[in-house]
Amino acid sequence: GAVVSQHPSWVICKSGTSVKIECRSLDFQATTMFWYRQFPKQSLMLMATSNEGSKATYEQGVEKDKFLINHASLTLSTLTVTSAHPEDSSFYICSAMMGQATDTQYFGPGTRLTVL
Amino acid sequence: AQSVTQPDIHITVSEGASLELRCNYSYGATPYLFWYVQSPGQGLQLLLKYFSGDTLVQGIKGFEAEFKRSQSSFNLRKPSVHWSDAAEYFCAVAHTGGFKTIFGAGTRLFVKA
Repeated sequence: GAVVSQHPSWVICKSGTSVKIECRSLDFQATTMFWYRQFPKQSLMLMATSNEGSKATYEQGVEKDKFLINHASLTLSTLTVTSAHPEDSSFYICSAMMGQATDTQYFGPGTRLTVL
Repeated sequence: AQSVTQPDIHITVSEGASLELRCNYSYGATPYLFWYVQSPGQGLQLLLKYFSGDTLVQGIKGFEAEFKRSQSSFNLRKPSVHWSDAAEYFCAVAHTGGFKTIFGAGTRLFVKA
């Protein structure tokens, strides 16, 4: 149990286009989802915390207008990278928690974004 | 502020040898501590976690970790390493039950035959 999927697993796009990444909790309801960014050979950096039905909370330095997060249901959160540029190329990972009382995050497999 | 330090960028051990990965944290209260493993191009898998109670925590794949408050450490150990354990290992600390998890820089484990 507690499986989190991400789609697509990898994407290549042209500079200036927008890309949407989906994060789904497959067998549980996730009231909270997190989006992380990981640069090559570096650690995960939290970008934002997303609660179902409310606006995402962005970490300092993360442009909310560039990284649009929507958590429309208890099983789906999306991250849209708008007007992508090469510097947005990275590995994006989501995680999900099942309820306020649970302390474990379940991570998705990640999405590799390459912007040409 | 919370922080996590993994002093070793990479470690190489022989298959069958014991392993210890170091982790030190900085946190004002009793932290929630985690160890995750990441294979190349993959997401993170939880190995074990510590919230309270017994300071020696058992995890999956034969891993264990010991919380030492006096040393602000949460080192990961395995008595006998397998080639499949080669991966990146992340120590993490969280406040309020997993929210806003802070990750260490990671330690890359290489296993030699």
